[in-house]
Amino acid sequence: AQSVAQPEDQVNVAEGNPLTVKCTYSVSGNPYLFWYVQYPNRGLQFLLKYITGDNLVKGSYGFEAEFNKSQTSFHLKKPSALVSDSALYFCAVRASYSGAGSYQLTFGKGTKLSVIP
Amino acid sequence: DTAVSQTPKYLVTQMGNDKSIKCEQNLGHDTMYWYKQDSKKFLKIMFSYNNKELIINETVPNRFSPKSPDKAHLNLHINSLELGDSAVYFCASSKRDSKYNEQFFGPGTRLTVL
Repeated sequence: AQSVAQPEDQVNVAEGNPLTVKCTYSVSGNPYLFWYVQYPNRGLQFLLKYITGDNLVKGSYGFEAEFNKSQTSFHLKKPSALVSDSALYFCAVRASYSGAGSYQLTFGKGTKLSVIP
Repeated sequence: DTAVSQTPKYLVTQMGNDKSIKCEQNLGHDTMYWYKQDSKKFLKIMFSYNNKELIINETVPNRFSPKSPDKAHLNLHINSLELGDSAVYFCASSKRDSKYNEQFFGPGTRLTVL
């Protein structure tokens, strides 16, 4: 079974400061990792993904994430936070093997990011 | 153009009623999903459907049934609604066979059971 842990329910950061939202995962086989963002009363929007290759992946709105296989982590980062980044962030994992159910994503419980002006 | 759309956006109903939520995607995807997001924002897969293959999360009550008239639509029917069914339901779609499996989400349907 695959699982995702987001250890922080909430992260507060001052505008202009760097931000990190943490994610660790557990899967059998190679992981496909994703970050999604949910703004209030909206659906989830895809931010970025790691499939293979460079451990640092860049995504939308200036976000990036670093894949660390030894630590089974995929932390989301941004060098300078904006107030408009305030939202709920979800990490998700999909195992790379094929088979029934393999295309399903397993989501973490979400981390609320608040950027303080 | 909206990629994944859901109707209605809000649904308020009484316990015991039967209701449906519609979902349509115009992305040409071949896999569609239904998720339930509870009051704590926890997101849980309910169903995934691809070319007439239905994968059901075993924890979903059989009062919930997805129906797909064609590849672009996956509707959710709920019978005998209960208070605990109150949640936000999200439809999503993706390309199943692509390893680049981003899912595209609809705006959600907020169901309130009174």
